[in-house]
Amino acid sequence: EVQLVESGGGLVQPGGSLRLSCVASGFTFSNYWMIWVRQAPGKGLEWVANTDQPGTQKYHVDSVKGRFTISRDNAKNSMYLQMNSLRGEDTAVYYCARGEGVGAADYWGQGTLVTVSS
Amino acid sequence: AVMTQSPVSLPVALGQPASISCRSSQSLVHRDGSSYVSWVQQRPGQSPRRLIYEVSNRDSGVPDRFSGSGSGTDFTLKISRVEAEDAGIYYCMQGTHWPPTFGGGTKVEIK
Repeated sequence: EVQLVESGGGLVQPGGSLRLSCVASGFTFSNYWMIWVRQAPGKGLEWVANTDQPGTQKYHVDSVKGRFTISRDNAKNSMYLQMNSLRGEDTAVYYCARGEGVGAADYWGQGTLVTVSS
Repeated sequence: AVMTQSPVSLPVALGQPASISCRSSQSLVHRDGSSYVSWVQQRPGQSPRRLIYEVSNRDSGVPDRFSGSGSGTDFTLKISRVEAEDAGIYYCMQGTHWPPTFGGGTKVEIK
């Protein structure tokens, strides 16, 4: 069974940093590209970043470019999102998802809540 | 590509059909000829779950009352007979153009 478990969320002040983790199981992690998607409270879904199977190609949406960095460690079946210079508008549940095909996510984790507030 | 869904809210009686529309601001035909449109269900308090990929392919375990169709810029998710467990928010999503984008969501409510 595919499982994706996020952790690392919490309350952080504006301008602060946080590192999210996603641990995968139930599939060969190194065979799949991986994704972070977020959902602000009561809002819709927003693609944040994705990385290819070896972790060499990384793409971030404009709203987080230069502040967030996606990475992965295939030996640990893990993906990360380093979030710096956090803003109030970054407050959201952050989901880890498995990439499949072209621009699609077939499995999603349960999410971790990041709250940016003073 | 901006994805626009309608309606925003869809009250449906049990056993009745439901249809959700999704329109893209540009063609979703990829250079490889396929269209990368998927549909995602989010039940209350749960994480998203993909139902349909590449316009019309159902994911494993998805009931056959769910179907997807469309081409170019217009896509539709249909539920042939709504069941209580279908309550939630449905999002269309395009992966043809980077970054992948989602529609604003359609809330299916059981009457």
